Amino acid sequence: DAMVIQNPRYQVTQFGKPVTLSCSQTLNHNVMYWYQQKSSQAPKLLFHYYDKDFNNEADTPDNFQSRRPNTSFCFLDIRSPGLGDAAMYLCATSRGQLAGQFFGPGTRLTVL
Amino acid sequence: AQSVTQPDIHITVSEGASLELRCNYSYGATPYLFWYVQSPGQGLQLLLKYFSGDTLVQGIKGFEAEFKRSQSSFNLRKPSVHWSDAAEYFCAVGAHQAGTALIFGKGTTLSVSS
Repeated sequence: DAMVIQNPRYQVTQFGKPVTLSCSQTLNHNVMYWYQQKSSQAPKLLFHYYDKDFNNEADTPDNFQSRRPNTSFCFLDIRSPGLGDAAMYLCATSRGQLAGQFFGPGTRLTVL
Repeated sequence: AQSVTQPDIHITVSEGASLELRCNYSYGATPYLFWYVQSPGQGLQLLLKYFSGDTLVQGIKGFEAEFKRSQSSFNLRKPSVHWSDAAEYFCAVGAHQAGTALIFGKGTTLSVSS
């Protein structure tokens, strides 16, 4: 089945220690998104790739970076995680907007 | 300002009873509307979407939603709730262009009692 896969599902890191979250998709969608969802809150878009073009939301901290080496994969790098970065990180994909965005299961990040 | 309001933070419904989850939006452009469901610790699953045409849309798992432009609403309904429907439900609005953020409501938690 076509899907969005996120690894790992759970990630524990130490304060200030860089961490990378991974997303892959078999949907062949050209747009990939990273959302941050804190406890009991709605998901909030951090950035997205439209094909190879990177688009950062205005209020996304510089601490968050992303890479998309090919159509199928996208990575979220947190350079120096703080306690406030503990959240669920959701990857989503779309082909245009009309079909909606398809979400992966998420990676829950804990910062100690 | 663009926003989505889900007035009910938590709803409890008896199994077999009908359900309606409310969603109101404020959006400057032609809205594209979505309902997602999220089980604990899981990602978001798309239930249904509205872009244009018939204002009553059918989705998966027996859900439907009705778009009412005059009320800026997109309420989700299900005629008979099952225990497995207990989850968090998010209404979202987006623009036509790909790559724009979906603006989510804060979600409604549905509990199902037996």
